[in-house]
Amino acid sequence: EAGVTQSPTHLIKTRGQQATLRCSPISGHTSVYWYQQALGLGLQFLLWYDEGEERNRGNFPPRFSGRQFPNYSSELNVNALELEDSALYLCASSSSRLAGRETQYFGPGTRLLVL
Amino acid sequence: AQKITQTQPGMFVQEKEAVTLDCTYDTSDPSYGLFWYKQPSSGEMIFLIYQGSYDQQNATEGRYSLNFQKARKSANLVISASQLGDSAMYFCAMREGNTGNQFYFGTGTSLTVIP
Repeated sequence: EAGVTQSPTHLIKTRGQQATLRCSPISGHTSVYWYQQALGLGLQFLLWYDEGEERNRGNFPPRFSGRQFPNYSSELNVNALELEDSALYLCASSSSRLAGRETQYFGPGTRLLVL
Repeated sequence: AQKITQTQPGMFVQEKEAVTLDCTYDTSDPSYGLFWYKQPSSGEMIFLIYQGSYDQQNATEGRYSLNFQKARKSANLVISASQLGDSAMYFCAMREGNTGNQFYFGTGTSLTVIP
């Protein structure tokens, strides 16, 4: 069974540009989560989508946005890139409603570098 | 207040020795789950072990065990018989409530296994 996939693996942009990151969840999973992992800061929750709708949002400015498609894949868009947006962006997927030891499953991430 | 605190930015352990990675948590919810993940240099987060707040016994998964001290709100990960492949970042995470999709992550501990 294929795991969570993300593309591209690396992305280099300049300040002010826009970046689009993509994620495909594990088959059967309807929830997709986005996290930002900047150096030394652990994982910061960005967005949670389920069944095509945004369910929760972390403490990030509106220039971080995304969407979930009917096939449950997801895009993360970052507008007006700033240098501090340079980070590893991790996508995770899970079933719609987690209980007990059920967990999220992570993709390999997209490394975004803003110059 | 931080939901998850990992106070050890970096740890070293001799191959074949045991090592304990610390994690404390903060919640007022009587029902919660605690998770540990491993992140190798490739970036992908790998689920290791789970402990539920109502579990009577400490969780074990192969060489991984969780030293759960509920009164102290600590959930330390113990890795026995360390191997070179254990060198990675380790993250502690919590999910509040019996069901729910919001995970809170710590800042991680970098473990280096020395031959």
